[in-house]
Amino acid sequence: EADIYQTPRYLVIGTGKKITLECSQTMGHDKMYWYQQDPGMELHLIHYSYGVNSTEKGDLSSESTVSRIRTEHFPLTLESARPSHTSQYLCASSFRAGANVLTFGAGSRLTVL
Amino acid sequence: GQNIDQPTEMTATEGAIVQINCTYQTSGFNGLFWYQQHAGEAPTFLSYNVLDGLEEKGRFSSFLSRSKGYSYLLLKELQMKDSASYLCAVNYNNAGNMLTFGGGTRLMVKP
Repeated sequence: EADIYQTPRYLVIGTGKKITLECSQTMGHDKMYWYQQDPGMELHLIHYSYGVNSTEKGDLSSESTVSRIRTEHFPLTLESARPSHTSQYLCASSFRAGANVLTFGAGSRLTVL
Repeated sequence: GQNIDQPTEMTATEGAIVQINCTYQTSGFNGLFWYQQHAGEAPTFLSYNVLDGLEEKGRFSSFLSRSKGYSYLLLKELQMKDSASYLCAVNYNNAGNMLTFGGGTRLMVKP
């Protein structure tokens, strides 16, 4: 049973549309993350958050934005989708203290036509 | 950068033992993780090493040498379901304690 939920799992959308990928966790984790992963390639961190009202950019530049208004919720938004945004987006969370073990969501696979 | 290197692909036979190596830059090291990722699925946590030595968990073991910047994941009694990508990830305290992932090793287990 998943403790971190991502919706939608799959999305096919046209260029120029605005999209929001949802991520929610029920584990009380402080830290949340968004990773981008192309098929067969490594994960790249695009956004992270230490807690409510905290958002930071990761090591891979992304045109997406995130917000953290509630501890359990960390949505990612693309204002104007382009074909270059086609990828899998993985949300993850962890406790701030301790070993920093990440729990991942099932992912959102985005295709922009 | 904080290069994390692991082989791209490996093939092994069902019932055998396979060792997947990972090397990393040691500056700022604060722990190493192994994750398993089946095709099209999310990574799942396998093991965590922060001190030198071997951590054993059932058929899977993970080893760390901090001075050498080296880890390996050992899989014993391989099963077909072990066919997956194995991701080495390092926690660097000079990167805000964010995980940096290697490219992953795709393991194919053959009958």
